[in-house]
Amino acid sequence: GAVVSQHPSWVICKSGTSVKIECRSLDFQATTMFWYRQFPKQSLMLMATSNEGSKATYEQGVEKDKFLINHASLTLSTLTVTSAHPEDSSFYICSARNHRGTDYGYTFGSGTRLTVV
Amino acid sequence: GESVGLHLPTLSVQEGDNSIINCAYSNSASDYFIWYKQESGKGPQFIIDIRSNMDKRQGQRVTVLLNKTVKHLSLQIAATQPGDSAVYFCAAWENNAGNMLTFGGGTRLMVKP
Repeated sequence: GAVVSQHPSWVICKSGTSVKIECRSLDFQATTMFWYRQFPKQSLMLMATSNEGSKATYEQGVEKDKFLINHASLTLSTLTVTSAHPEDSSFYICSARNHRGTDYGYTFGSGTRLTVV
Repeated sequence: GESVGLHLPTLSVQEGDNSIINCAYSNSASDYFIWYKQESGKGPQFIIDIRSNMDKRQGQRVTVLLNKTVKHLSLQIAATQPGDSAVYFCAAWENNAGNMLTFGGGTRLMVKP
């Protein structure tokens, strides 16, 4: 089946540094990828929609200069948390829509736990 | 915009019993719904989906019921097992929001041995 590989799984960084999270579709082309943020015991909140070859679409309240998204190819999207602060600590998850026939399948990555100290 | 929510934050069931997890949605234009299972520290895993032209769909030990009249869907898990312990999310696909999924608040299912 469709697989989305997300890396790294867990990262701890110092406040003020930047962290890049990668999301790859391994066996299908993803023209659109989605980035979510999830706080403990809460649901997934969509941060932005990443479109291959164009600028990402950010949800209201999400700082585009803080969360840089790049979707340079049909199989790779990256989220960079710039100048990370402790309040950015969260679980970040990507997903891609797998267009196969009439299947509306969305495949999720395994998530990245970011801890900013 | 779409609002998708769950009635119960935590559901505790005995192993072997059936589980029912509920979800309400607000956008009557939503025409596709998905249930996901999320284990601790992992991304959501697809369980089962249903389109709005159906009111019931069955999988292996799971059944999703859709009531469009009251904008409600449920996930039924038969013979619940310890491995079913996780957080379950419903998600709705918005017709007017491109390819975006909107997630409900999640229900934690705890299976007691």
